[in-house]
Amino acid sequence: RKEVEQDPGPFNVPEGATVAFNCTYSNSASQSFFWYRQDCRKEPKLLMSVYSSGNEDGRFTAQLNRASQYISLLIRDSKLSDSATYLCVVNRGWFTSGTYKYIFGTGTRLKVLA
Amino acid sequence: GAVVSQHPSWVICKSGTSVKIECRSLDFQATTMFWYRQFPKQSLMLMATSNEGSKATYEQGVEKDKFLINHASLTLSTLTVTSAHPEDSSFYICSARSHTGGPYEQYFGPGTRLTVT
Repeated sequence: RKEVEQDPGPFNVPEGATVAFNCTYSNSASQSFFWYRQDCRKEPKLLMSVYSSGNEDGRFTAQLNRASQYISLLIRDSKLSDSATYLCVVNRGWFTSGTYKYIFGTGTRLKVLA
Repeated sequence: GAVVSQHPSWVICKSGTSVKIECRSLDFQATTMFWYRQFPKQSLMLMATSNEGSKATYEQGVEKDKFLINHASLTLSTLTVTSAHPEDSSFYICSARSHTGGPYEQYFGPGTRLTVT
């Protein structure tokens, strides 16, 4: 079983739709959590960090459930420009420890259709 | 925001040759840099973690003699793929972590696409 698991998709949705991505992680010692966006043949770019209290940035809402080891990303009012691969990232280990590292999920592909 | 550059952005080389990829933090000092590899339709896989002035820590299954990493300064790390083979063809991405900014955030370079013929 992979340490960070995502549904690979693809998710094909019409413009204006609401779409949700899920991610589960297996290491309960994970410290921090992120959603990254990766466009084709480009580097990942940070979309948002994920906090236990939940956080929102415009049309994007992220949630973390530590008890269930589950992270979600909700995109409202999808735009064509949202088409990309969304990567769930879990940071394992403390900042000062030798175990600090990012673990990437395989990503979920989203295609927003006109 | 923090900027990380990589050079070259793409390279084609012949089997058996060595290729060096540079990763630079342009506007911050990076005590730690990470090297990732991404094959088509797969996620990023961490290859190694390098700390300035010390030897890199390689992930299990990554050959340290084949992928040489040097982190000689706080703004530069290099990855050398030695005796490259076609199966080394991949997208190589570096990231850097600032020792003064948020502790958990990594800043990614634009990647280097390596094709070995």
